[in-house]
Formats: sequence, structure tokens, C-alpha cells
Amino acid sequence: TQLLEQSPQFLSIQEGENLTVYCNSSSVFSSLQWYRQEPGEGPVLLVTVVTGGEVKKLKRLTFQFGDARKDSSLHITAAQPGDTGLYLCAGAQLGNAGKSTFGDGTTLTVKP
Amino acid sequence: DAMVIQNPRYQVTQFGKPVTLSCSQTLNHNVMYWYQQKSSQAPKLLFHYYDKDFNNEADTPDNFQSRRPNTSFCFLDIRSPGLGDAAMYLCATSRERGLNTEAFFGQGTRLTVV
Repeated sequence: TQLLEQSPQFLSIQEGENLTVYCNSSSVFSSLQWYRQEPGEGPVLLVTVVTGGEVKKLKRLTFQFGDARKDSSLHITAAQPGDTGLYLCAGAQLGNAGKSTFGDGTTLTVKP
Repeated sequence: DAMVIQNPRYQVTQFGKPVTLSCSQTLNHNVMYWYQQKSSQAPKLLFHYYDKDFNNEADTPDNFQSRRPNTSFCFLDIRSPGLGDAAMYLCATSRERGLNTEAFFGQGTRLTVV
């Protein structure tokens, strides 16, 4: 059983469209991170959220941490082909010595 | 400039032939991690070093070992690679362990077992 469920698993959209991907769990996380991974590369950290209800913006990307710290979303406005990649969420828990657990990711393809 | 460097980027090894993957960091971070990532799956933590203290995950096979001779370098040794060990191997570092700690990943080594 995956601790962090990401949805959708695959998403293919046209350039200029908006999209939201989700990271859900039945467990509470002390912090949650979003990474983007391009094919053949390692994940690159986008953001860390730590406070329930927190919203962070990174240019066209908006990240939200749920009030109960069990879920998070990533919204991309006006997607571009350069946004193509695997989006991974990773959550850290007190009971796991602070180690992060990754979700299975959402593979996003933005077509020109 | 790359801060976590993995060599080689691509490695082909024979079934059962020991192979070593390397990772170096210029960040002077205390913690170094090794992850295994198979296609379209999440990275799976194999083990990590906190300074010289080795921490193995409970479900990491004995076939996988690691060495950290100094702060900058960490090696992943696969003693007898099987076909199921073909994957991307990711090295990561963080300043400390614990909550809210951000990890910095290398570019990974793609291992093929023939």
C-alpha cells in the first residue's frame, strides 16, 4: 500500500491549458515536498510546505498543503512544453525518523 | 555547477558480476542517501548515511551494500546483480536528517543488467 497516492498517474495536455495534480494520504505529514524529474535526470526540488493550509507560488506553479496536512495539490497555469516531466510529492513524518516517503508521481506531457 | 555528482551516468553489467556506483557531493552535507527508481515508480530508499552512521532500510536486499569513506563520497555496491536490479539509482544529500529537510539529488546512474 502506497502511503502517498498521486493522481492522475498520467496527464497529457495542450500548451496553454491549466492543470492540477494531487497528492493524498490518510496519514499526517510534518512537511511535504514537490519535485520535478525530467527523463534520465534526478528529481529537482520545487517547494517545501510545512504549515496546514499553506499556499506557495513559484511563477506559474501554485502549491497548497491541506489544512489537516494529509494532502497537497500542485496547480500549473498556462502549461508550457518545458513543464513536461514526472512530478513527485514526498512527505516526512515524525514517526519515520523524519525520512521522506515518495508518491508514485504524475507524468505530465505538455504538447506544443 | 553540479553539487551531487553521480558516475557513471549509464552502467551496463553482466548478470552476477559485482558493480559499484559512485556519488560525490560538494555541499558538505551530513547525510547521503541511495534510492532505487524503476520505470514510472517512486524512488525507493535503500539506505542512508548520517555522517559515518549507516542506516539500512528493513526491506533492502543483502545484495546491496554501501560505503562512505569520507564526507564527500558514497558508493553503492551490488554484489551479484540480477535482472530485477536494472533501474535508475539516485544519490541524494541533505544537510541534516529530520523533518523539513530538503534533499538534493544527483542525475542518477541508469543500470542495465545483461
